[in-house]
Amino acid sequence: GDSVTQTEGQVALSEEDFLTIHCNYSASGYPALFWYVQYPGEGPQFLFRASRDKEKGSSRGFEATYNKEATSFHLQKASVQESDSAVYYCALSDQTGNYKYVFGAGTRLKVIA
Amino acid sequence: DMKVTQMPRYLIKRMGENVLLECGQDMSHETMYWYRQDPGLGLQLIYISYDVDSNSEGDIPKGYRVSRKKREHFSLILDSAKTNQTSVYFCASSLSSYEQYFGPGTRLTVL
Repeated sequence: GDSVTQTEGQVALSEEDFLTIHCNYSASGYPALFWYVQYPGEGPQFLFRASRDKEKGSSRGFEATYNKEATSFHLQKASVQESDSAVYYCALSDQTGNYKYVFGAGTRLKVIA
Repeated sequence: DMKVTQMPRYLIKRMGENVLLECGQDMSHETMYWYRQDPGLGLQLIYISYDVDSNSEGDIPKGYRVSRKKREHFSLILDSAKTNQTSVYFCASSLSSYEQYFGPGTRLTVL
């Protein structure tokens, strides 16, 4: 079946550092790719999506580019803030009409002021 | 206001008891989901509902069943709860394959 792999389980950075969270996927079809963010005590929130090769998604200073050849959708932010501390999830949906999503295990980001 | 609500937020049950988790949404979304979230495993899909009385198993349906009698309401039922069903449960809704809106979660403890 389809799967999403997030390489980093935890990331610790200082404020203004550059962030990269790696996301690779395996899918039989042509999926849409998503990033979600989850703050403590809340449900995940949609960050952005991309649905075709080379499309860039972005929101709140975060961005990721759909790379079909590398099967990747890495999350980046140029300068993190303490308020970005959260768990980030990469996900895919196969766009065939079954509307099922597959989530990665999540990456916990801690930003130290 | 686009919102997904879940009740209760916290629940403690004994093994073998029945559990009912409830979810509501005010966006008239056709598709609704139940997930469980466990450390290191992310979000795992239990059931998906495409509309009233149109439900489909997700990746881990064993031990769970669902009910959707109104578009805005989706229930998750655990008949005879087990200790390994201790988890945080999230409900979500979406419009086709676009973003999902998640509720705040229910933390279930089965003793």
